[in-house]
Amino acid sequence: QQPVQSPQAVILREGEDAVINCSSSKALYSVHWYRQKHGEAPVFLMILLKGGEQMRHEKISASFNEKKQQSSLYLTASQLSYSGTYFCGTKDTSGSRLTFGEGTQLTVNP
Amino acid sequence: DTAVSQTPKYLVTQMGNDKSIKCEQNLGHDTMYWYKQDSKKFLKIMFSYNNKELIINETVPNRFSPKSPDKAHLNLHINSLELGDSAVYFCASSQYGTSATDTQYFGPGTRLTVL
Repeated sequence: QQPVQSPQAVILREGEDAVINCSSSKALYSVHWYRQKHGEAPVFLMILLKGGEQMRHEKISASFNEKKQQSSLYLTASQLSYSGTYFCGTKDTSGSRLTFGEGTQLTVNP
Repeated sequence: DTAVSQTPKYLVTQMGNDKSIKCEQNLGHDTMYWYKQDSKKFLKIMFSYNNKELIINETVPNRFSPKSPDKAHLNLHINSLELGDSAVYFCASSQYGTSATDTQYFGPGTRLTVL
């Protein structure tokens, strides 16, 4: 079952912060975050594991709330290069497939 | 060095034609995937192969047939192309496939346009 991402889109000014959420109705084992720039391939950012620690990629961090079956991606002091579509992908305990959310389009303006 | 490569990058063809997309990875990974990304950017898994064996076969038309000659290559052949097949097709690979921590690495994509 496909995870739900929110918001669908967000527009920021450079230096502002944003949070992107990824929720699932199924019990999750891992959440994978990707960023895709226009016309390019999705690029892996980080994995959050059940029971694991908060992760970080440059000034982007993420957490995993097992009770809520939700992961949040925190973009701090956004830069122009953060613009793109952020996807979360989730795996259940079988680990057999990565199911992606519909994506959150992030635009950072000067 | 390109980790996951696809050819061609762009493919424009007429309805009814048959076409193939090729994918190669030099990461030494055991598992490869095909995803379809439609105009709304939704990334949907189509197929997955682990060491040349088909392990994920989503509900896609029979016109789509994957082939894995060896674990470094996964090709996608599409028969009788339809307008609705227009999309970007991404190949990806990962070390194991069934591990929850397995990271997938994507190729640059093939933009297929059916006229």
